[in-house]
Amino acid sequence: NAGVTQTPKFRVLKTGQSMTLLCAQDMNHEYMYWYRQDPGMGLRLIHYSVGEGTTAKGEVPDGYNVSRLKKQNFLLGLESAAPSQTSVYFCASSPQGAAQPQHFGDGTRLSIL
Amino acid sequence: RKEVEQDPGPFNVPEGATVAFNCTYSNSASQSFFWYRQDCRKEPKLLMSVYSSGNEDGRFTAQLNRASQYISLLIRDSKLSDSATYLCVVNNFNKFYFGSGTKLNVKP
Repeated sequence: NAGVTQTPKFRVLKTGQSMTLLCAQDMNHEYMYWYRQDPGMGLRLIHYSVGEGTTAKGEVPDGYNVSRLKKQNFLLGLESAAPSQTSVYFCASSPQGAAQPQHFGDGTRLSIL
Repeated sequence: RKEVEQDPGPFNVPEGATVAFNCTYSNSASQSFFWYRQDCRKEPKLLMSVYSSGNEDGRFTAQLNRASQYISLLIRDSKLSDSATYLCVVNNFNKFYFGSGTKLNVKP
């Protein structure tokens, strides 16, 4: 019962490099989300998706792109990494329906030098 | 104004104590409410959903007051293992908004 799986777990990048974070869920959930969490702050929504082929901006979308080509996968891309994007990134998924809670992956710790 | 606000704490309590956290939310149209627990450097995990009539799960009781737009979590008979950060979460039309969390330290 994998649930929500994030890869990689850790990564160090240089400023200007690009990378993609992968989130995969095996629960057949319609909705998927990407958050970042910084010290002393709550989770902030970057982008989210309410179904295959759809994406929408969250609270802090600048500098990130996403794609949801398959229902089970939600990719988060950094085209040109900046030190301000150093953070812990969490992916979550949930079934359709406002009363349904989210299930989280165990996070990706990303450092931009 | 933030969507969800919580007292960051920390709340330092002895084992066996009862402790309560409150959380306020700004959007009166919010649809659903949750408490999550987050351990240091780990992912948030669902503690319990919060229902309009209030609900209990073992030592944990959650209450919702829609008129005043706040949610509460009561923990009875605190255990050392309850030490964590508790996140208040509100769902508005497919978006989840998180409070910054309330840190609880349960001491022997």
